[in-house]
Amino acid sequence: QSVLTQPPSVSAAPGHNVTISCSGGPSNIGENYVSWYQQLPGTAPKLLIFDTSQRPSGIPDRFSGSKSGTSATLHIAGLQTGDEADYFCGTWDTNVFAGRMFGGGTKLTVL
Amino acid sequence: QVQLHESGPGLVKPSGTLSLTCSVSGASIASYKWWCWVRQSPGKGLEWIGEVYQTGSTNYHGSFKSRVGMSIDRSKNQFSLELTSVTAADTAVYYCARDRGNNAFDVWGPGTVVVVSS
Repeated sequence: QSVLTQPPSVSAAPGHNVTISCSGGPSNIGENYVSWYQQLPGTAPKLLIFDTSQRPSGIPDRFSGSKSGTSATLHIAGLQTGDEADYFCGTWDTNVFAGRMFGGGTKLTVL
Repeated sequence: QVQLHESGPGLVKPSGTLSLTCSVSGASIASYKWWCWVRQSPGKGLEWIGEVYQTGSTNYHGSFKSRVGMSIDRSKNQFSLELTSVTAADTAVYYCARDRGNNAFDVWGPGTVVVVSS
């Protein structure tokens, strides 16, 4: 069971917006950057967001990230069928030596 | 464009040692700081195993600390993972990845499946 809590699944129709939450604590999300990853079936994870709200080159601006207190959120606007995937958040815990961690993952279904 | 590729045995016997290598192409392994291993058990989430710095120093997740080793070979542009005393619980897809900083893994290998079974 992960220290970072994500909803197991979310769903929305094409064209709609969706948010995926990642809940942690003061010593992880509360004081460190958050990253987000997209994992399409049978493939390696892909970095979507780094430093909580920054997008790597090539990632559409439909994807955005934010943080408030001890929770982070991935926002996906204008859903496309190709967005159907698993999404993971990641950060590290300042109170744990080498305490890098991931959330349990959220399955996004585009209806 | 940096690419990573994992290699190693796909089947390891219980109590044996899992050994994997990650080959880096498109850039020198010395040009980035941290190189990591992450695994994903069947139907489960991602689990960070540890990291090796370009100089060879390492950090390991507490869950693996007593049985994990990582190293870097700059002459071959590779880094490696060893996990000893494996059990069925170590059956997973193993990924190598690059940390661009602040715990953001921006380049991943395709992953390699390792099954622990007799």
